[in-house]
Amino acid sequence: NAGVMQNPRHLVRRRGQEARLRCSPMKGHSHVYWYRQLPEEGLKFMVYLQKENIIDESGMPKERFSAEFPKEGPSILRIQQVVRGDSAAYFCASIEGGTDTQYFGPGTRLTVL
Amino acid sequence: RKEVEQDPGPFNVPEGATVAFNCTYSNSASQSFFWYRQDCRKEPKLLMSVYSSGNEDGRFTAQLNRASQYISLLIRDSKLSDSATYLCVVNLGGAQKLVFGQGTRLTINP
Repeated sequence: NAGVMQNPRHLVRRRGQEARLRCSPMKGHSHVYWYRQLPEEGLKFMVYLQKENIIDESGMPKERFSAEFPKEGPSILRIQQVVRGDSAAYFCASIEGGTDTQYFGPGTRLTVL
Repeated sequence: RKEVEQDPGPFNVPEGATVAFNCTYSNSASQSFFWYRQDCRKEPKLLMSVYSSGNEDGRFTAQLNRASQYISLLIRDSKLSDSATYLCVVNLGGAQKLVFGQGTRLTINP
């Protein structure tokens, strides 16, 4: 049973470009969370999605960031017009409905030049 | 005040020593509690859940005090492979989003 998968593992973008981060949850998991970890800091919650629904986006910056989890395919975190401050590790986690143990993917490390 | 507070360390202890970490949380409505371990530039991995009755997993013992809003982790007979950052994590329930402390860095020295 494959774990949570994220790609790309490393992403380099120039200021003003778009970054797309993908997350495939564990098989059978229908809930996905995105977290961001800035250098030397703890993880911060960004958004919680179920298939085709955003449940809680209270941790998402109001501008430039969006997330989706379509009926088919991976969850996507999109960052438009990236700035240097977006450089961070972005982790995705998934859970099975009705449980509270989250399993994390290996993360995508975004570097904005 | 941070929602979850930990001493960032670093803790440097000799192999075989016993080391204890503490953590406090501010939201009394928090429903579940965990310790995660994070190795350098890797994803967090669940170490253990924490229950009011206390729980033990081999060399690791976790304790929760709801009245004081305090969580602890004890590592006995520490190994070199225990070197990592230990994250105290609280689940607020509802949407099940996790709130992470900033982590405590531990280095076990030979």
